[in-house]
Amino acid sequence: ETGVTQSPTHLIKTRGQQVTLRCSSQSGHNTVSWYQQALGQGPQFIFQYYREEENGRGNFPPRFSGLQFPNYSSELNVNALELDDSALYLCASSSRDRVEKLFFGSGTQLSVL
Amino acid sequence: AQTVTQSQPEMSVQEAETVTLSCTYDTSESDYYLFWYKQPPSRQMILVIRQEAYKQQNATENRFSVNFQKAAKSFSLKISDSQLGDAAMYFCAYRSARNNDMRFGAGTRLTVKP
Repeated sequence: ETGVTQSPTHLIKTRGQQVTLRCSSQSGHNTVSWYQQALGQGPQFIFQYYREEENGRGNFPPRFSGLQFPNYSSELNVNALELDDSALYLCASSSRDRVEKLFFGSGTQLSVL
Repeated sequence: AQTVTQSQPEMSVQEAETVTLSCTYDTSESDYYLFWYKQPPSRQMILVIRQEAYKQQNATENRFSVNFQKAAKSFSLKISDSQLGDAAMYFCAYRSARNNDMRFGAGTRLTVKP
C-alpha cells in the first residue's frame, strides 16, 4: 500500500508567476484535500476534491484552483503568485466513507521571491 | 466559525514522564470530530488520536489518551511514558460532520529531554 506522495518537495518562484503542485493519493482513496501551512501556523483548508469535482472550499481566492484526475491524483494550481503564498502545501487523501481519517503527504515547500 | 486554540506554544517533558497538551475549540455544532496530529521535522502530519463528539468515552491509543470535555469544549492530549521520538509539533484539529473543512490550532512544540 503506497502512501500519499507530493511533488516537488521544494519550489522557488517569483511574484506574479504560476505554479502547479502535484499529489498522488494513497491507494484506495478517492478524496483529496489541500492545505496551506504558513510558517509557525497550523494548516489551513484550501479545498477538497471528490470524483474530479470540488467538494468544499476554504477561504482562499479563485487564483487557487485544483484538479482531480480519474486515478484520484490531484493538482493544486496557484496563479499570480504573491509573497504571502510562501508556505508548505500539504495534500491529504481519504476514502469517501471515512473522510475524517486523513493521510497526509510530506508537502511541497513553496517560496515566492 | 469554528476556531481551535492551543495556548501552549512550547512544552517540555523528561523522557519516561507524562505530559498534557491543551486544546480548546469553539463551535455551535453538536456533531463533529476532534483530532491530534503530530508533525515531525519530516513535515508529514501523522494522526495520533481521534475522538467523535457523540462518544462520551475518551479515546486511547497506547501511550496517548485524551480528556474530552464536550461542555467545556476542551480536548487535551496526554502522552504517558514520553519517548524521544515523541518530540514534534502537535496540532489539535476540529472537523464538522457537515462539511470538509478541518480547522487546526497553531500547534504546540513538544521537546523531550533525555
